[in-house]
Amino acid sequence: KAGVTQTPRYLIKTRGQQVTLSCSPISGHRSVSWYQQTPGQGLQFLFEYFSETQRNKGNFPGRFSGRQFSNSRSEMNVSTLELGDSALYLCASSPRVSGYEQYFGPGTRLTVT
Amino acid sequence: GESVGLHLPTLSVQEGDNSIINCAYSNSASDYFIWYKQESGKGPQFIIDIRSNMDKRQGQRVTVLLNKTVKHLSLQIAATQPGDSAVYFCAEKPGTASKLTFGTGTRLQVTL
Repeated sequence: KAGVTQTPRYLIKTRGQQVTLSCSPISGHRSVSWYQQTPGQGLQFLFEYFSETQRNKGNFPGRFSGRQFSNSRSEMNVSTLELGDSALYLCASSPRVSGYEQYFGPGTRLTVT
Repeated sequence: GESVGLHLPTLSVQEGDNSIINCAYSNSASDYFIWYKQESGKGPQFIIDIRSNMDKRQGQRVTVLLNKTVKHLSLQIAATQPGDSAVYFCAEKPGTASKLTFGTGTRLQVTL
């Protein structure tokens, strides 16, 4: 089975712009979770989608949003980018909502200048 | 590859020695714990998990110990190899409907 894929792998944006990141889960997995990883804050949960519905949400501002499509692929969007949004954004898929088994993709490295 | 963390505690171990990586968790209600390994340029990979009704679980070259009294988790790696060099995270899950909460991570450096 192919693993979790994320596109693009690297992205450079300027402050004020918006960005959309994409995640394709493992085939058959219906849950997709997004995490932000930074040196200062570590791995922080953004949100989880299951069957196109947001099921869990972390403590991030409304500039961070996401969605899931009927084929379980997910996108996350960050609007009005700030320098502090520079991070590695990781996507993880699971067969079940709030699943114990989380399979991570390689991440998208976002740099905001 | 990406820098996983610039301010992580680092454990240096000689090849062939045993490694012990520690983690203090925060929620006494957590019923599930996982160790992940993250190599440069990659996402975290599952290593081993343990439920709160156990105090020890063994895998291939790895053992996880859980001490609920002091909310402490450890990962032991036997006969550490250069390929074990990575950042290791513990994660806890307080209940079936909740999200995983990750620890800050420890960088393991294996010296030859």
